[in-house]
Amino acid sequence: EVQLVESGGGLVQPGRSLKLSCAASGFTFSNYYMAWVRQAPKKGLEWVATISTSGSRTYYPDSVKGRFTISRDNAKSSLYLQMNSLKSEDTATYYCASGRTFDYWGQGVMVTVSS
Amino acid sequence: DIQMTQSPSFLSASVGDRVTINCKASQNINRYLNWYQQKLGEAPKLLIYNANSLQTGIPSRFSGSGSGTDFTLTISSLQPEDVATYFCLQHNSWPYTFGAGTKLELK
Repeated sequence: EVQLVESGGGLVQPGRSLKLSCAASGFTFSNYYMAWVRQAPKKGLEWVATISTSGSRTYYPDSVKGRFTISRDNAKSSLYLQMNSLKSEDTATYYCASGRTFDYWGQGVMVTVSS
Repeated sequence: DIQMTQSPSFLSASVGDRVTINCKASQNINRYLNWYQQKLGEAPKLLIYNANSLQTGIPSRFSGSGSGTDFTLTISSLQPEDVATYFCLQHNSWPYTFGAGTKLELK
């Protein structure tokens, strides 16, 4: 059974940094693209970042490019999202998702950016 | 960026009804369209990928159709457990974009 468990969320001040983690199990992690998708409170879904199987290719929308960095450790079956220069509009539940097109999702972790 | 226009935003239907939800892309996305179901307080779940392929474990009352710019998710006979918000996703080109969602409730 595929399991994705996010951690690292919390309350952070604007301009500060936060790093999210996602522990994967139940599938061969190194064979799959991985991604982060977020959902602001009572809003729709927004793709945040994608990383290739080896980590050599990464993709971001303009809203986070230059501030967020996705990475992975295949030996640990773990995915990460380093978020810098956080803004209030980054407040959301962040989901870890497997596959190029988000086949399986974790339960999500809340990030609140507020002073 | 490709805009995904989803309709209706809200839908009320009775158990046993046939329900359709639509997504329209602002440009041709071939068949690179997925449908997700999100129940209250839960993570999204993939229902349909590449416009019309049923994800493993999803009931056969769910189906998808369309290509190019117009797509439809159909629930052939609505069940109480189908109450949820449904989203479409285009994965034809970066940035991937979602529809705004359709909230489905029981009448």
